[in-house]
Amino acid sequence: GIQVEQSPPDLILQEGANSTLRCNFSDSVNNLQWFHQNPWGQLINLFYIPSGTKQNGRLSATTVATERYSLLYISSSQTTDSGVYFCAVDPSDYKLSFGAGTTVTVRA
Amino acid sequence: ETGVTQTPRHLVMGMTNKKSLKCEQHLGHNAMYWYKQSAKKPLELMFVYNFKEQTENNSVPSRFSPECPNSSHLFLHLHTLQPEDSALYLCASSQGTSRETQYFGPGTRLLVL
Repeated sequence: GIQVEQSPPDLILQEGANSTLRCNFSDSVNNLQWFHQNPWGQLINLFYIPSGTKQNGRLSATTVATERYSLLYISSSQTTDSGVYFCAVDPSDYKLSFGAGTTVTVRA
Repeated sequence: ETGVTQTPRHLVMGMTNKKSLKCEQHLGHNAMYWYKQSAKKPLELMFVYNFKEQTENNSVPSRFSPECPNSSHLFLHLHTLQPEDSALYLCASSQGTSRETQYFGPGTRLLVL
């Protein structure tokens, strides 16, 4: 099956800092989503981004499908940004395969 | 609030018990999913239903039995589970199954003793 690798596995930030999370995948995909999982387990979808660039407030994402990677940018980080960020891809429409996640801790 | 609810939020059960997890979506979606999230492992897709029909069973043991009576409700019936089945069980829904954003419920945290 498709391989999804996320880096770094852990990230500690000072409030106000910027950061970049990376997702590499091993095959072409029809679907790529970024999710944030809060400490209580709730997964919130951030972006549906199989290609191109999108922005939503302090978050933005870019997927370069031809090179099989996606980046999630967090700017001016806040403590509420803490949690686990997952990249999920799908080569065949609905079988999302998740990466292992990046655990982000933002310190005040 | 994502429009997908799950009950119960926490469940402790013995290996001989039978219990059910419930998921309801209020988004008018046609596809629903069950995922399992174990500690230190990526989320694993378990089942997919599209228009109430099961379209995917990802080699899940028969002690997990899904039921989808309509497009808004999804159940996961549990019986004779093992301690290694302890995990967070997440339900999701999407408009269709093709290139659609999936919306997740808050999950049921299951502990099997």
